Amino acid sequence: KNEVEQSPQNLTAQEGEFITINCSYSVGISALHWLQQHPGGGIVSLFMLSSGKKKHGRLIATINIQEKHSSLHITASHPRDSAVYICAVLRDNTDKLIFGTGTRLQVFP
Amino acid sequence: DADVTQTPRNRITKTGKRIMLECSQTKGHDRMYWYRQDPGLGLRLIYYSFDVKDINKGEISDGYSVSRQAQAKFSLSLESAIPNQTALYFCATSDFLQGPQHFGDGTRLSIL
Repeated sequence: KNEVEQSPQNLTAQEGEFITINCSYSVGISALHWLQQHPGGGIVSLFMLSSGKKKHGRLIATINIQEKHSSLHITASHPRDSAVYICAVLRDNTDKLIFGTGTRLQVFP
Repeated sequence: DADVTQTPRNRITKTGKRIMLECSQTKGHDRMYWYRQDPGLGLRLIYYSFDVKDINKGEISDGYSVSRQAQAKFSLSLESAIPNQTALYFCATSDFLQGPQHFGDGTRLSIL
């Protein structure tokens, strides 16, 4: 079983919809990252969380350490949000990230 | 100009050839990483370096080697390429352990 699981694997939405992507992990962590991979392949870091909630524009990331779960929300989705969203965790007492396999999001006009 | 630059962006080569992928950064970060990405799998760590004199193996280092020529440069070599090393390769940097990683645009490598 993967130490980091994302759901759903694929997601389609109409422009304007509220999107939720989930990440569950099975190990103790010191930080969790959300990344965005554009269709051309480039990867951008969106958030780093160790507790609570962070917001940047239309993106909101939350983490529940006790439940070992994080969510990435996109409000008022737009076709330019179409990308693969990747969750990664920094395992306790290590210096390496463990990555989920990503959620592919397509937003249609 | 990009903060993390990978060269080449695309490479097609034959089995048995030696290949070097290069990464340079202008962010001034000490930590540098090489990852590979395969369809259906998460990014996997090949090697990482926390300064010029520090090189560490990741989870899939067999068949690869690295060189940290300077703080700004971290190269990945495939000594004798094989087809199952066909993948998308990413270099990344960070300035502290829990900090965000900054990725290059990737190198698409195909080995025939």
